[in-house]
Amino acid sequence: EIVLTQSPGTLSLSPGERATLSCRASQSVSSSNLGWYQQHPGQAPRLLIYGASNRATGIPDRFSGSGSGTDFTLTISRLEPEDFAVYYCQQYGRSPYTFGQGTKLEIK
Amino acid sequence: QVQLVESGGGVVQPGRSLRLSCAASGFTFNIYAFHWVRQAPGKGLEWVAVISYDGGNKYYADSVKGRFTISRDNSKNTVYLHMNSPRAEDTAVYYCARDSYTFGFTYYFESWGQGTLVTVSS
Repeated sequence: EIVLTQSPGTLSLSPGERATLSCRASQSVSSSNLGWYQQHPGQAPRLLIYGASNRATGIPDRFSGSGSGTDFTLTISRLEPEDFAVYYCQQYGRSPYTFGQGTKLEIK
Repeated sequence: QVQLVESGGGVVQPGRSLRLSCAASGFTFNIYAFHWVRQAPGKGLEWVAVISYDGGNKYYADSVKGRFTISRDNSKNTVYLHMNSPRAEDTAVYYCARDSYTFGFTYYFESWGQGTLVTVSS
């Protein structure tokens, strides 16, 4: 099973700042089959990024993804108030299709 | 627009059974695979099961294999998750999610329902 480790566990930033979230895989993720989701409390997850770097439909361009192999990054260039949430990475290259434990992005 | 509405959650005793439903609308139902993904209270996400667009292929997480069954009724635009012999560790919000490609599997999810809470307790 591919284990995804996200860091940091909690990130405290202010609106307007840049956020960098990390996702490290225990094995190489094939064909960059890595996605990122955003989840607000009490809501379903929302797909942000697929294929490591492709924005999903309707996702603002302040969100960007990068990386390959075992190291992946989600960057939010300038934080908006609605960006404060929990973020999960997911690998879908090999069964079982696992998620990271999440990074909570909170307002400083 | 794409809409997925889960129902059927509630409190179920260990060893009993429960059926979750996911009613879909706003798109052509029978060309997409569907997944169930769950989230235990205060925890992360766990993929549970997938069914192909025609119901011919079904795959499960090891944690539910042999106990849960995914099915679909393309005439009703509905996907089901039959939970047999649930355990306390199956307590979670269960989300229905549409696969992102037609006629295949990608295992990433662009559309999600709002979820339904299942509590396994005596």
